[in-house]
Amino acid sequence: GNSVTQMEGPVTLSEEAFLTINCTYTATGYPSLFWYVQYPGEGLQLLLKATKADDKGSNKGFEATYRKETTSFHLEKGSVQVSDSAVYFCALSAGAGGYNKLIFGAGTRLAVHP
Amino acid sequence: EAGVAQSPRYKIIEKRQSVAFWCNPISGHATLYWYQQILGQGPKLLIQFQNNGVVDDSQLPKDRFSAERLKGVDSTLKIQPAKLEDSAVYLCASSSLGTGSGKGSPLHFGNGTRLTVT
Repeated sequence: GNSVTQMEGPVTLSEEAFLTINCTYTATGYPSLFWYVQYPGEGLQLLLKATKADDKGSNKGFEATYRKETTSFHLEKGSVQVSDSAVYFCALSAGAGGYNKLIFGAGTRLAVHP
Repeated sequence: EAGVAQSPRYKIIEKRQSVAFWCNPISGHATLYWYQQILGQGPKLLIQFQNNGVVDDSQLPKDRFSAERLKGVDSTLKIQPAKLEDSAVYLCASSSLGTGSGKGSPLHFGNGTRLTVT
């Protein structure tokens, strides 16, 4: 079946450090891939997405590239800020019959210290 | 545009009691989802509506959970009777995706209802 595996957290970094959060997936067909972020006390928000192989999604300095050959969608940011502290969820969309359905990974908590 | 609205924000009940959650999606969004997020886990889809019809309820524990979306707009999710393991955040999301619109349409989430069953 379809599934998403993320690296376990928490990830603790100092401000301006480089961030990588690994995400791999298993899916039939050609899913779309997403990163969602959940800031403390807030709902899930879409961070970026990629809909086909080799697409790069980017937003707020974060990037992720859809790698079909390695079934991966790793999240990266060159220089993190304290305000990036949140839980990050990788997800795939496995539409069946045309209906969109998101399957999430377990989430990775990021803590950035000054 | 106004976001997805959910209420209540928090709810504490005893096991075997019943509880209901309400969701108002973004105006015009045809697809509505209920997810369950247990602490430390990713959200798990419980039920998906397209307008007022159920598209997917394969992971809904139908012996105790029920959901409806009358008139294809607001939705309610009910648990009766609640168990300790139902303690979680219940997330509602909506999407403008219609049939065959593609897998790339994002979901817009509400802030969730945090349920504690004691």
